[in-house]
Amino acid sequence: LAKTTQPISMDSYEGQEVNITCSHNNIATNDYITWYQQFPSQGPRFIIQGYKTKVTNEVASLFIPADRKSSTLSLPRVSLSDTAVYYCLVAYWDSGAGSYQLTFGKGTKLSVIP
Amino acid sequence: KAGVTQTPRYLIKTRGQQVTLSCSPISGHRSVSWYQQTPGQGLQFLFEYFSETQRNKGNFPGRFSGRQFSNSRSEMNVSTLELGDSALYLCASSPRGQQGSSTDTQYFGPGTRLTVL
Repeated sequence: LAKTTQPISMDSYEGQEVNITCSHNNIATNDYITWYQQFPSQGPRFIIQGYKTKVTNEVASLFIPADRKSSTLSLPRVSLSDTAVYYCLVAYWDSGAGSYQLTFGKGTKLSVIP
Repeated sequence: KAGVTQTPRYLIKTRGQQVTLSCSPISGHRSVSWYQQTPGQGLQFLFEYFSETQRNKGNFPGRFSGRQFSNSRSEMNVSTLELGDSALYLCASSPRGQQGSSTDTQYFGPGTRLTVL
């Protein structure tokens, strides 16, 4: 059974770099790995997406090893406003259903401490 | 561009009733996906619609159904409500959706909070 796992919670001080890892075995061969951020009472918001190696945008970096069985979201110099829940999203092929299952991890609650 | 809108934002129903939730995607987006979010199970994929056709489906019972109209607006219906259906229901739109194994970036609405008593 395809499964996506991430740590339940993490604490970090302001100004530090935070790395959140998601394990995702058997993901669809050509699928991207996407990370979302969610604040209370809001829908998830796109952070970054990648296929392999390293991707960087203005807010985060995403590291994906060659076997693509995991990915690591890196947030540089976090601030209090980065306190949120972070989710990874991947697609698995469900042969029984004959369709793709878009699967979120259970989320990592990041608490940034002043 | 206006974001994804969902109506209603809050809903209270009783067991056995049915409910219809509505989602208006971002203009130009042809894919709409629905998710159920609960504290225990997290975000779970319900289904994805693209050009009025259900293209992908999650592992939910047949009580959960949806449809998409020609203007890409989508509705989700839950029949014979159970207490366990209490959740935040999120809709997400994207230009191309889940094309093959490639997942397009999704833009989420604020959700509809459904409470079943």
